[in-house]
Amino acid sequence: GNSVTQMEGPVTLSEEAFLTINCTYTATGYPSLFWYVQYPGEGLQLLLKATKADDKGSNKGFEATYRKETTSFHLEKGSVQVSDSAVYFCALSEGSASKIIFGSGTRLSIRP
Amino acid sequence: NAGVTQTPKFQVLKTGQSMTLQCAQDMNHNSMYWYRQDPGMGLRLIYYSASEGTTDKGEVPNGYNVSRLNKREFSLRLESAAPSQTSVYFCASFRGQGASYNEQFFGPGTRLTVL
Repeated sequence: GNSVTQMEGPVTLSEEAFLTINCTYTATGYPSLFWYVQYPGEGLQLLLKATKADDKGSNKGFEATYRKETTSFHLEKGSVQVSDSAVYFCALSEGSASKIIFGSGTRLSIRP
Repeated sequence: NAGVTQTPKFQVLKTGQSMTLQCAQDMNHNSMYWYRQDPGMGLRLIYYSASEGTTDKGEVPNGYNVSRLNKREFSLRLESAAPSQTSVYFCASFRGQGASYNEQFFGPGTRLTVL
């Protein structure tokens, strides 16, 4: 079945450091891929998405590229801020977003 | 435009008590979902409703029932709460088949503790 595996946290970085959160997936077809972010005490928000191979999703300085050959969708940001502290979820859906499969989440903490 | 709203925000129950979690969306979306979030396990789908009048089981439906009251509202009921149901519950909605983009919108969550 379809699944998403992402790096375990917590990840702690200093402000302005480079961020990578790894995500790989298993799917039978050609899924859409997402990164959701959950700030403390809130629900999930869509951060970025990519719907086909080689697409790059980007938002708020974050980027992720849909790599079909390595079945990966790693999240990157060149210079993190304290306000980026949150839990990040990698996810996939096939066909439509009628069902989304989430990874286990990675907690990110940024030190001033 | 409030998006997806959930009530209550917090709830404490004793084992065996029942309660209903309420969810409403004002985006005219066709599909609605209930998830639970547990530490280290991400979000797991409990039930979903692809359209008004239909409901289907997700990954972890045992101990829960749902009602799609109308297009706006989708409730989750715990008939006899158990400590294993202590979790954070999220409702989400999606525009549905034929949408030009495929994104689910989430409510702020209900934190439930069962003693």
